[in-house]
Amino acid sequence: KQEVTQIPAALSVPEGENLVLNCSFTDSAIYNLQWFRQDPGKGLTSLLLIQSSQREQTSGRLNASLDKSSGRSTLYIAASQPGDSATYLCATGNTGKLIFGQGTTLQVKP
Amino acid sequence: ETGVTQTPRHLVMGMTNKKSLKCEQHLGHNAMYWYKQSAKKPLELMFVYSLEERVENNSVPSRFSPECPNSSHLFLHLHTLQPEDSALYLCASSQTGNEQFFGPGTRLTVL
Repeated sequence: KQEVTQIPAALSVPEGENLVLNCSFTDSAIYNLQWFRQDPGKGLTSLLLIQSSQREQTSGRLNASLDKSSGRSTLYIAASQPGDSATYLCATGNTGKLIFGQGTTLQVKP
Repeated sequence: ETGVTQTPRHLVMGMTNKKSLKCEQHLGHNAMYWYKQSAKKPLELMFVYSLEERVENNSVPSRFSPECPNSSHLFLHLHTLQPEDSALYLCASSQTGNEQFFGPGTRLTVL
């Protein structure tokens, strides 16, 4: 059974700092991995999708990497801003069924 | 309307009530999903519909009954719920196996 773990559970950084969020999964037989952002009380916003054949994806200040062999993915946020404050969720997919981690709650202080 | 919409956004119901949650996707996708998000727990997949057929029922109690009348609409019918069913219920859609897009969710409180 796939299990997804995100460390740390919470993170507080000053504005402008580069940071890395970690995601690990137990079963490497994944179809894809998706990173989401969730603001309090809101739905999920898709940030990046990495297919199993890919190593990384980039969108603006965000870069996500995938290492299937070690069961790890990282989300790199460059030059963090207060507007980046949210909970970040990773989820592994297998034929459409996503298994989620518990998320990392990020606070970026001005 | 664009993306994935959900109604109502907030719902309070008693344990003997019957209510329904509605989800609509405007993305031309062929798969739709229901997830439950409880406090302190990861999102849990409840149901998956692909091409309007249910392909996944993740051991969800029968007091939750999904319905997918067409590829754009998904319902979750609720009946005799328990207080522990209070949660944020999220709908998502995708082309099968691809990136999932989520709606804003329905915050359900069961009294």
